[in-house]
Amino acid sequence: DAGVTQSPTHLIKTRGQHVTLRCSPISGHKSVSWYQQVLGQGPQFIFQYYEKEERGRGNFPDRFSARQFPNYSSELNVNALLLGDSALYLCASSTRDRDEKLFFGSGTQLSVL
Amino acid sequence: GENVEQHPSTLSVQEGDSAVIKCTYSDSASNYFPWYKQELGKGPQLIIDIRSNVGEKKDQRIAVTLNKTAKHFSLHITETQPEDSAVYFCAATLSWGFKTIFGAGTRLFVKA
Repeated sequence: DAGVTQSPTHLIKTRGQHVTLRCSPISGHKSVSWYQQVLGQGPQFIFQYYEKEERGRGNFPDRFSARQFPNYSSELNVNALLLGDSALYLCASSTRDRDEKLFFGSGTQLSVL
Repeated sequence: GENVEQHPSTLSVQEGDSAVIKCTYSDSASNYFPWYKQELGKGPQLIIDIRSNVGEKKDQRIAVTLNKTAKHFSLHITETQPEDSAVYFCAATLSWGFKTIFGAGTRLFVKA
């Protein structure tokens, strides 16, 4: 079975641009979470979605938004990119909304110049 | 607020020795404590976890201990091997389950 897949793997943007990152969860998993990992730090929670509804939001500005589709895949959108948005963006899936076991994809490395 | 502190940030051991990583959490509502291993170019992978009603759990060469009173938990790796070299993250999840707080990570080097 395929694991969590994320696209693209790498992305280079300039300040002020917009970016969309995509995630497909493990088959049968209905919950998707997004994390930001800055180099040398642990992942930081951005959003959790379950059954297309937002179940949790971390301490990120409104420039960050996400959605989940009927097939449980998800998109993370970031508007008005800042240099500080440069990071590895990780998607994790789990079987249900209160299942703490997270299965991570390999991430999208975003560089903002 | 919620916080997980992890020590040390870097750990170097000889192959065959043991490695210990320690974490402290702040929110007493946390009841699930996973450990993740992250290799270069990959996402974190769950290696072992423990719930708040358990004091210790072991899986082959890996063990975790939890002291809920002191809000401390630790990862123990015995008989380390070069393939154990990676970054290890401790984490804590609140009882309502949607948010996992990660420590800053420990980079483990196992020298052959």
